[in-house]
Amino acid sequence: AQKVTQAQTEISVVEKEDVTLDCVYETRDTTYYLFWYKQPPSGELVFLIRRNSFDEQNEISGRYSWNFQKSTSSFNFTITASQVVDSAVYFCALSEALRGSYIPTFGRGTSLIVHP
Amino acid sequence: EAQVTQNPRYLITVTGKKLTVTCSQNMNHEYMSWYRQDPGLGLRQIYYSMNVEVTDKGDVPEGYKVSRKEKRNFPLILESPSPNQTSLYFCASSQGSHYGYTFGSGTRLTIV
Repeated sequence: AQKVTQAQTEISVVEKEDVTLDCVYETRDTTYYLFWYKQPPSGELVFLIRRNSFDEQNEISGRYSWNFQKSTSSFNFTITASQVVDSAVYFCALSEALRGSYIPTFGRGTSLIVHP
Repeated sequence: EAQVTQNPRYLITVTGKKLTVTCSQNMNHEYMSWYRQDPGLGLRQIYYSMNVEVTDKGDVPEGYKVSRKEKRNFPLILESPSPNQTSLYFCASSQGSHYGYTFGSGTRLTIV
C-alpha cells in the first residue's frame, strides 16, 4: 500500500476556478512531517510547505491554502482563483522516523492543467 | 545563490559504460538524497546521506552507488548502466531530516 496517495492523476480547470488537490497518507508514527512540492513544466522541483503532525492549523499563503486533518489522514492543497502559471505537477510527501531519520516518501503526483 | 547543482543535465550513453552524475550543494546541508522520477511512479528514493561518510539505501538502490566524502558533494554512480535505468534523476539537500528539500535541476539519463 502506498504511504502517500494522490488519487487524482490529472485535473483540468479553467482559469479563475478554485481547485483542490487531495493527499492521503498512512503512518504509524505520532511524529511526522508532510510536504507539498510543485514541478512546473520546466522540470525543477520547488518546495511549497512543510507541516508537522502536531500542528493541525490550516495555512494560507496568497492563493494557496492547505488543510491538514489528522482524523482523515489528509493534507489537501487548494488553489484559489487558479492561473495558467499554476499548471504543474504537484507532489505530496510524508517524512516518518521509521528508519531513524525523517526521509520523505513522495506520492505519485497530480498534474494540474489550468486553461486560459 | 543557494542551490543544488547537478551535472550533466542530459546524457545519452550505452549499456555497461560506467557513468557518474555529480551533485553539489552550497548551503552546508547535512542531508542529501537522490531520487529518480518515472512516469506514473512519482519520485522514488535511490540513496540518501545524513552526513559525511553516512549513506543508506532508499527504495530503489539496485544498480547504483553513492559516496559522501565531503559535505557538499554526493555523486551518483552507475557502474554498469542498463536501459531500465533510463530516467530523470534529482539530487536534493536539506538542512535537517525533517525540513523541505532543495532540489537540483535534474539529469535526464538515457541508456541505450
